[in-house]
Amino acid sequence: GQNIDQPTEMTATEGAIVQINCTYQTSGFNGLFWYQQHAGEAPTFLSYNVLDGLEEKGRFSSFLSRSKGYSYLLLKELQMKDSASYLCAVRDSNYQLIWGAGTKLIIKP
Amino acid sequence: TAGITQAPTSQILAAGRSMTLRCTQDMRHNAMYWYRQDLGLGLRLIHYSNTAGTTGKGEVPDGYSVSRANTDDFPLTLASAVPSQTSVYFCASSDGDSNQPQHFGDGTRLSIL
Repeated sequence: GQNIDQPTEMTATEGAIVQINCTYQTSGFNGLFWYQQHAGEAPTFLSYNVLDGLEEKGRFSSFLSRSKGYSYLLLKELQMKDSASYLCAVRDSNYQLIWGAGTKLIIKP
Repeated sequence: TAGITQAPTSQILAAGRSMTLRCTQDMRHNAMYWYRQDLGLGLRLIHYSNTAGTTGKGEVPDGYSVSRANTDDFPLTLASAVPSQTSVYFCASSDGDSNQPQHFGDGTRLSIL
């Protein structure tokens, strides 16, 4: 079966750095997406990785290792508004997205 | 820009009744999707459409139907609602290229009593 694993919840301090991990086992791989979802709102796109390595976009970076079935999202200089759920999704061989359950990130002052 | 519009925002429905959730996009995206999101679970694909006139079944299609008469609209119908269909429903669209992200509507919160 297909599976995406993420930690359920993480806590970090304002101004710090946090890394949210995602491991996947899917039938095929055609890219990995990270989304942010604030409570009661729609998911919004953060990053896309299809090749191994690090993609940097401002305070957010995303890393992919296809051989290990592993990705992480790195958030720097955390702000209170970063409190949200972070969703990892893999596009499989049918080009459909398989979603993790999300990681709820709590930022403390 | 509107992006994707879903209606209604929320609804309480008696079991056994039918309901159509509406979804309209103005981005001329080819592909559209319906997901349900339940606590502790990832988004689960109900139905999708790669282009106008075609539809396909996702992971959890039972009890739901869709149509795609044109590019912009992708309604989701529950023919006879059951309490297990209580969920938050998200419509999404993408322009079909594999590296393009899906864009989501604001969701419909549906409670079946």
